[in-house]
Amino acid sequence: DAGVIQSPRHEVTEMGQEVTLRCKPISGHDYLFWYRQTMMRGLELLIYFNNNVPIDDSGMPEDRFSAKMPNASFSTLKIQPSEPRDSAVYFCASSSSGSGNTGELFFGEGSRLTVL
Amino acid sequence: GDSVTQMEGPVTLSEEAFLTINCTYTATGYPSLFWYVQYPGEGLQLLLKATKADDKGSNKGFEATYRKETTSFHLEKGSVQVSDSAVYFCALRKAGKLIFGQGTTLQVKP
Repeated sequence: DAGVIQSPRHEVTEMGQEVTLRCKPISGHDYLFWYRQTMMRGLELLIYFNNNVPIDDSGMPEDRFSAKMPNASFSTLKIQPSEPRDSAVYFCASSSSGSGNTGELFFGEGSRLTVL
Repeated sequence: GDSVTQMEGPVTLSEEAFLTINCTYTATGYPSLFWYVQYPGEGLQLLLKATKADDKGSNKGFEATYRKETTSFHLEKGSVQVSDSAVYFCALRKAGKLIFGQGTTLQVKP
């Protein structure tokens, strides 16, 4: 089975540009999570969805960040406009409620964003 | 709120040494507990988990026991290898959310 698929793997952009990160969860999983990893702040949960509905977006840093999940097999995380402090690795993860809402998450390989 | 605290790293050991990475948590109710591992340049992989008090998770020679009385989930391995060098994350999951500790870097020298 394919795991969680993220794209792009690497993105270098200039300050002020729009960035869109994409995620395809594991088929059949109904939870999807977006995390951000930096040296300073570690792994931060930005937002998560259940059955395509955002459940908790309290970790989204500010209005420049938005996330959508138009269907069960696709999600985007958008930053507009981007700033140098947004440079980080962004991870998408999914899980199945079949293991209860306390089961393991499966992570993608991450999208490394550099904003110049 | 719910949180996870890990011992600070980096931890540097010689090959075949004994490893302990401490992890304690704060949470109401009964969260599930996890250890994830991140190798350089890769995403996070589940190492082991425990879903209730006194459960022991184990995998690849690593073990951790869910201790509710001390709210701890310490990671141990009897004999580390160079290939175990990575960042280890303790985490709890409750009501959907997975909350991570800050991570502990392990470096094993030959």
